[in-house]
Amino acid sequence: QKEVEQNSGPLSVPEGAIASLNCTYSDRGSQSFFWYRQYSGKSPELIMFIYSNGDKEDGRFTAQLNKASQYVSLLIRDSQPSDSATYLCAVLNTGGFKTIFGAGTRLFVKA
Amino acid sequence: EADIYQTPRYLVIGTGKKITLECSQTMGHDKMYWYQQDPGMELHLIHYSYGVNSTEKGDLSSESTVSRIRTEHFPLTLESARPSHTSQYLCASSEPGTGGYNEQFFGPGTRLTVL
Repeated sequence: QKEVEQNSGPLSVPEGAIASLNCTYSDRGSQSFFWYRQYSGKSPELIMFIYSNGDKEDGRFTAQLNKASQYVSLLIRDSQPSDSATYLCAVLNTGGFKTIFGAGTRLFVKA
Repeated sequence: EADIYQTPRYLVIGTGKKITLECSQTMGHDKMYWYQQDPGMELHLIHYSYGVNSTEKGDLSSESTVSRIRTEHFPLTLESARPSHTSQYLCASSEPGTGGYNEQFFGPGTRLTVL
């Protein structure tokens, strides 16, 4: 079992819809969770981080964390074609020494 | 915007050559990382450093070596390049954010091709 698991996709949604990206992790002691966006041929860039159970909203993005279920998700409202990218889930492990990245979910937003 | 730089951006080189990929950051971050990523594939951590004179191997076995003599500089060296080293190499740095959450900032990457 991978330490951070994501559905590789591709996830295809129409423009204006809500895109829902999911991630599970195995280290129960993990404290911090990140979502990175990576456009094709580019470097990852941080879009959200969350460390408390519940929801965290930033513009069209909402991160959701459920530590009991070891589950973190990212919702993108009013999806735009420019949101088409690979979204990487990352988890800071117990002790805070190492960040583990998932393999990423490819998102396509159709105009 | 993150101030982390990598040179060269693209490198095509013959088998057996020694190469050094440069990475510098101006943010004063203690932690720095090297990742390897093939197109459409996941990131693999190959080296990391928690500060000057500190280097560790990552999860993916790599024939490369790194050094950390200055906080801002974290070069990666391949003594003898092989076609299997062809990949994208990404450098990143981090300092605990608010509350210590280790957000990583990535450089633009070096795309290496070994013929």
